[in-house]
Amino acid sequence: DIQMTQSPSTLSASVGDRVTLTCRASQNVNRWLAWYQQKPGTAPKLLIYTSSNLESGVPSRFSGSGSGTEFTLTISSLQPDDFATYYCQQYIVYPWTFGQGTKVEIK
Amino acid sequence: QVQVMESGGGVVRPGRSLRLSCVASGFTFSTYGMHWVRQAPGKGLEWVAVIWYDGTNEFYAGSAKGRFTISRDNSKNTVYLQMNNLRAEDTAVYYCGRDGAPRDSSGYVEYWGQGTLVTVSS
Repeated sequence: DIQMTQSPSTLSASVGDRVTLTCRASQNVNRWLAWYQQKPGTAPKLLIYTSSNLESGVPSRFSGSGSGTEFTLTISSLQPDDFATYYCQQYIVYPWTFGQGTKVEIK
Repeated sequence: QVQVMESGGGVVRPGRSLRLSCVASGFTFSTYGMHWVRQAPGKGLEWVAVIWYDGTNEFYAGSAKGRFTISRDNSKNTVYLQMNNLRAEDTAVYYCGRDGAPRDSSGYVEYWGQGTLVTVSS
């Protein structure tokens, strides 16, 4: 199975900060990578697919990049609604796998 | 709008079976793949299974292979997850979700249900 490793596990930041989350794959996943946001007690929400495509309705402050084994999710100016846990997921080969998550918390 | 709603969770003893259901609306169900993803208490997301739009292909996580079966009834806009020989480590919230693109599975989950809790305990 492809292992997805996210860093950091926890990120402390302030409103207005630019934050970058990283996701690394144990083997090449090309650009077949998605990012999700999850808040406590709620279902995940799709943010980005195919590495850099912004899901409809997602604010433009979110952006994704990368290919191969290294990917990033950037929030250009952190908003109060963005404090949550973020997961990456590869979908190049079954079984599809998620990273362990990065929790973005208030500094 | 697209809606997905799971049901069938509950408390079950180890070794027993449980079937989850997921009813979808707001889109042409028979043209989209459907997924199950689970989340153990306090843990991250784990993809469980996917079934293609026409039911011709199913794929499973290693933890589900041989014990879980995903199926669908396109006449009822419903996807199922039959879980047999349940273990304590299967305790989780189980989410149903619609694939991101019609026909062949795109691989990502675009729409998610609210989840149903399965607790395996004696």
